[in-house]
Amino acid sequence: GQNIDQPTEMTATEGAIVQINCTYQTSGFNGLFWYQQHAGEAPTFLSYNVLDGLEEKGRFSSFLSRSKGYSYLLLKELQMKDSASYLCAALDSNYQLIWGAGTKLIIKP
Amino acid sequence: GAVVSQHPSRVICKSGTSVKIECRSLDFQATTMFWYRQFPKKSLMLMATSNEGSKATYEQGVEKDKFLINHASLTLSTLTVTSAHPEDSSFYICSARGMRDHEQYFGPGTRLTVT
Repeated sequence: GQNIDQPTEMTATEGAIVQINCTYQTSGFNGLFWYQQHAGEAPTFLSYNVLDGLEEKGRFSSFLSRSKGYSYLLLKELQMKDSASYLCAALDSNYQLIWGAGTKLIIKP
Repeated sequence: GAVVSQHPSRVICKSGTSVKIECRSLDFQATTMFWYRQFPKKSLMLMATSNEGSKATYEQGVEKDKFLINHASLTLSTLTVTSAHPEDSSFYICSARGMRDHEQYFGPGTRLTVT
């Protein structure tokens, strides 16, 4: 079956760095997405990886290892506004997104 | 970037009535649109996938006669919740896929409350 695993909740301190891990098992693979979702709002796109390696975009970076079925989202210089849920989603062979349950990130001052 | 709009953003309706939610891709042509629902503190649940000009493909457990989907043009898809019940209260989100298969853009969501 298809499955996405990510931690349910993480806590970090303002100004610090946090890494949110995601492992996936899908029928075929056409890339991995990370989305940010604030409470009561729709998800917003953060990153897309289809090749192995690290993609950096400002304070956020995303890493993918296709051989290990593993990705992480790295958030640097955390700000209070980064408190949100972070959703990992893999694109399967039918170009359908398989969603993880999301990781709720709590930022403390 | 690509913009997807949803209307209405919030709706309250009485049990037994029907509600229509519109999803529009504003600056690109969406060959495929997806409808999701999300319960509080839960992840997105795909309800159906709709392709322009053809019938929607519903996920297992989603009643197609209750959740009517129409994708009449490359920029508009509608979801109609028929004979709504309080348990249909949820956050409904659409997304649209552009010409490149990996692109998928989300609308802002519609909060439905059935009283």
